[in-house]
Amino acid sequence: SQTIHQWPATLVQPVGSPLSLECTVEGTSNPNLYWYRQAAGRGLQLLFYSVGIGQISSEVPQNLSASRPQDRQFILSSKKLLLSDSGFYLCAWGTGREQYFGPGTRLTVT
Amino acid sequence: DQQVKQNSPSLSVQEGRISILNCDYTNSMFDYFLWYKKYPAEGPTFLISISSIKDKNEDGRFTVFLNKSAKHLSLHIVPSQPGDSAVYFCAASGYGGATNKLIFGTGTLLAVQP
Repeated sequence: SQTIHQWPATLVQPVGSPLSLECTVEGTSNPNLYWYRQAAGRGLQLLFYSVGIGQISSEVPQNLSASRPQDRQFILSSKKLLLSDSGFYLCAWGTGREQYFGPGTRLTVT
Repeated sequence: DQQVKQNSPSLSVQEGRISILNCDYTNSMFDYFLWYKKYPAEGPTFLISISSIKDKNEDGRFTVFLNKSAKHLSLHIVPSQPGDSAVYFCAASGYGGATNKLIFGTGTLLAVQP
């Protein structure tokens, strides 16, 4: 069966510090991978998606970037965090029309 | 421009009764619709989906209805249980080749009272 891992579960970072969130998927090959953010009291906003290694598409201009160095690894990064980057970050995978989400990372920028 | 809308931010239902969660969309190119359930501090869990070629899909206590002419879908939960208390998101996608991007609504918080 397929599983998706995200770490860390929670993170508190000062403004201006770098960020690296990692997501890995097991039990499937060549999945589409997605990064979402859920801001407080709001829906899920798609940030990035990838259909293959090294292929990244950005949905919204922002302070973040994504990379896919391996087939089942997806990384969300920032060089300098802003207060507005606080939120709940979710990684998801899919091979068909459904997407399956990881447990999420709660990021608080102070 | 919000393409998927959940106009009710919250809903309270008695245990054993029916819960009906509603969702509206504006983009006529959407052809696949999904419902997710989310507990606090967890990732959303896929519940049920429906293709635009159907008007109903049922899975146990969960049934999704699609009204294409009204651009409206609803999720029925019968009977409702306290463990169903969560935020429910509807999502939609149009056939976009390999990407299968989902557009999410803002969610409805369901509270099932014992």
